[in-house]
Amino acid sequence: DGGITQSPKYLFRKEGQNVTLSCEQNLNHDAMYWYRQDPGQGLRLIYYSQIVNDFQKGDIAEGYSVSREKKESFPLTVTSAQKNPTAFYLCASSIPPHRDRDTSGANVLTFGAGSRLTVL
Amino acid sequence: AQSVTQPDIHITVSEGASLELRCNYSYGATPYLFWYVQSPGQGLQLLLKYFSGDTLVQGIKGFEAEFKRSQSSFNLRKPSVHWSDAAEYFCAVVLTGGGNKLTFGTGTQLKVEL
Repeated sequence: DGGITQSPKYLFRKEGQNVTLSCEQNLNHDAMYWYRQDPGQGLRLIYYSQIVNDFQKGDIAEGYSVSREKKESFPLTVTSAQKNPTAFYLCASSIPPHRDRDTSGANVLTFGAGSRLTVL
Repeated sequence: AQSVTQPDIHITVSEGASLELRCNYSYGATPYLFWYVQSPGQGLQLLLKYFSGDTLVQGIKGFEAEFKRSQSSFNLRKPSVHWSDAAEYFCAVVLTGGGNKLTFGTGTQLKVEL
């Protein structure tokens, strides 16, 4: 079955270390997203990519970096510059508006199961 | 800036009772509207969406939502709640013509009493 795989599910990091969260999809979706979830704050967009080799900052990109070298993969690196990295991270994918058959042009996101990062 | 408000942080209902979760948005134009559900420690699953047309939309698991332009609302309803509906529910909007960046509400945690 098609879907999104995030790994690891749980990750512990010491302060000052960079960590990379993996996100792989086999849905043939062009667009991919990273969200951060904190209790009581909903989901906030970190980075998104509409196509391979291109990505844009979301609302809270500081302290994070991404790459999009393959259509299937969109890894997120949480750098030491991120002051409060403990959170639940969600990856998602979708068909971009210009390929969405729905005339609305909006997208439905498919989410992975998430990765919980804890800084020790 | 666009915003989504879910005024109820926690809601508790008895199994079999009806449910309504509130969602309001601030926009000049009609956005595209979504409801997602999240089980503990899991990703989000789409319940339903509204793009245009009939303002009452049906979703999965027996949920429905009604778009009311005059009230800038998109409330989620279910006539009879099951214990398995206990989860966190998120309303989300995307600006028409503004790409596909969703803005999420802060969520409503639903508890179901047996």
